[in-house]
Amino acid sequence: LAKTTQPISMDSYEGQEVNITCSHNNIATNDYITWYQQFPSQGPRFIIQGYKTKVTNEVASLFIPADRKSSTLSLPRVSLSDTAVYYCLVGPDSGAGSYQLTFGKGTKLSVIP
Amino acid sequence: EAGVTQFPSHSVIEKGQTVTLRCDPISGHDNLYWYRRVMGKEIKFLLHFVKESKQDESGMPNNRFLAERTGGTYSTLKVQPAELEDSGVYFCASSQFDRGHEQYFGPGTRLTVT
Repeated sequence: LAKTTQPISMDSYEGQEVNITCSHNNIATNDYITWYQQFPSQGPRFIIQGYKTKVTNEVASLFIPADRKSSTLSLPRVSLSDTAVYYCLVGPDSGAGSYQLTFGKGTKLSVIP
Repeated sequence: EAGVTQFPSHSVIEKGQTVTLRCDPISGHDNLYWYRRVMGKEIKFLLHFVKESKQDESGMPNNRFLAERTGGTYSTLKVQPAELEDSGVYFCASSQFDRGHEQYFGPGTRLTVT
C-alpha cells in the first residue's frame, strides 16, 4: 500500500478556502485517492474519491496532478463545523481482494472565528 | 435511510471477561468491515466480510477475537477473554459491493477493559 504524508495540523479562519495536500510518491497504477473526515466521537465519513485530474462534489474538490504523486483536498469557505481530522488514503478500489482502508494520522483542521 | 449502527456505545468490563459488540450495516450493503483505534494510535483494519464470508481477516490481532456475520446481515465481534490492551474504540463500516473505498462508518463502540 502506498504511504501517505500530510500535515499534522492546520488552522484557518471561517470563510476561507482550505487546501490540504497529501503526498503519495509510491502510488500504484490501480490506486485511487480517497479522503475521509472525522469529527470527535464519531466514525470517519467519506468525503471524496478520485483517480486523476479534478473531482468535485457538494462538499469538496480533489485536485490530482498528472503524475499522481500528490493530491489536494480543497474545502471552499470553511465554517466552524468543518473542524475535524481529515485523512488521505490511497489504495485499489476494485477487483478481487479486500477493501481495507489504511488510515494515517490525518490532518487536524481547526477553523477559528 | 438508516446509517450504520453499533451497540453498545460504551462497554466497561474487567480483564478476563467476555464482550460482544454488534454492528448493523446499511441495508443492502454486502461489504462489512471492523476497525479499531487503540489509545493514541491510528485506526486499524481488523477484517472484512462480503455477505457472510470473511474476505480478509488479516488485521485480527489474535484468536481472542471472533467475528461473525450470520445470514449476511448484522455482525458481531466477540472478545474472549478481554485484555487491557483491547481497550479502544471499535468501528464498524459497510459499503456497497462495487464501492469498496466509499465506506460508511458507525459511531463506534468504546471498550474499556479494567
